[in-house]
Amino acid sequence: GAVVSQHPSRVICKSGTSVKIECRSLDFQATTMFWYRQFPKQSLMLMATSNEGSKATYEQGVEKDKFLINHASLTLSTLTVTSAHPEDSSFYICSAKGTGSQPQHFGDGTRLSIL
Amino acid sequence: AQSVTQLGSHVSVSEGALVLLRCNYSSSVPPYLFWYVQYPNQGLQLLLKYTSAATLVKGINGFEAEFKKSETSFHLTKPSAHMSDAAEYFCAVSDHNQGGKLIFGQGTELSVKP
Repeated sequence: GAVVSQHPSRVICKSGTSVKIECRSLDFQATTMFWYRQFPKQSLMLMATSNEGSKATYEQGVEKDKFLINHASLTLSTLTVTSAHPEDSSFYICSAKGTGSQPQHFGDGTRLSIL
Repeated sequence: AQSVTQLGSHVSVSEGALVLLRCNYSSSVPPYLFWYVQYPNQGLQLLLKYTSAATLVKGINGFEAEFKKSETSFHLTKPSAHMSDAAEYFCAVSDHNQGGKLIFGQGTELSVKP
């Protein structure tokens, strides 16, 4: 149980394109989802926390107009990288948790490459 | 503020040898602590978690960790390394509860030599 699906697993696109990444909880209701960014050989950096039906809370230094997060349902959150540039290339990982003290469960990540 | 420090960005052991990955934390409140494993180009898989119950926590794949408050440590061990254990390991602390925001350590890459 507690499976989180992230799609797509890999995206390659041209500079200026907007890219949408989906994060779904397959067998539980995710009241909170988290979006992380990971550079090669580095740890995970939390970008934002989203609660179902509410605006996302962004970490300091993360541009909310650049990284649009939507959490419209209890099983789906999306991250849209708007007008992506090469410096946005990275590994993006989502996680989801249910109510109360449930732990976070992670998706398999999305490798974003901007040419 | 909470923080996590993993000593050693890279650890190399021989197959069958003891695995010891170090993690020290800083927290002003009783922490919830986690160890995650990440294989190349994948997300994170939870190995084990400490949530103020037993101080010795057993996880999946033969791993265990001991919470030592006096040393503010939560080191990860496995008696005998397998080749399949080669991966990146992250220690993390939660700021509220099991599902709260996670603060990760820098990660330790484990290599296993045949």
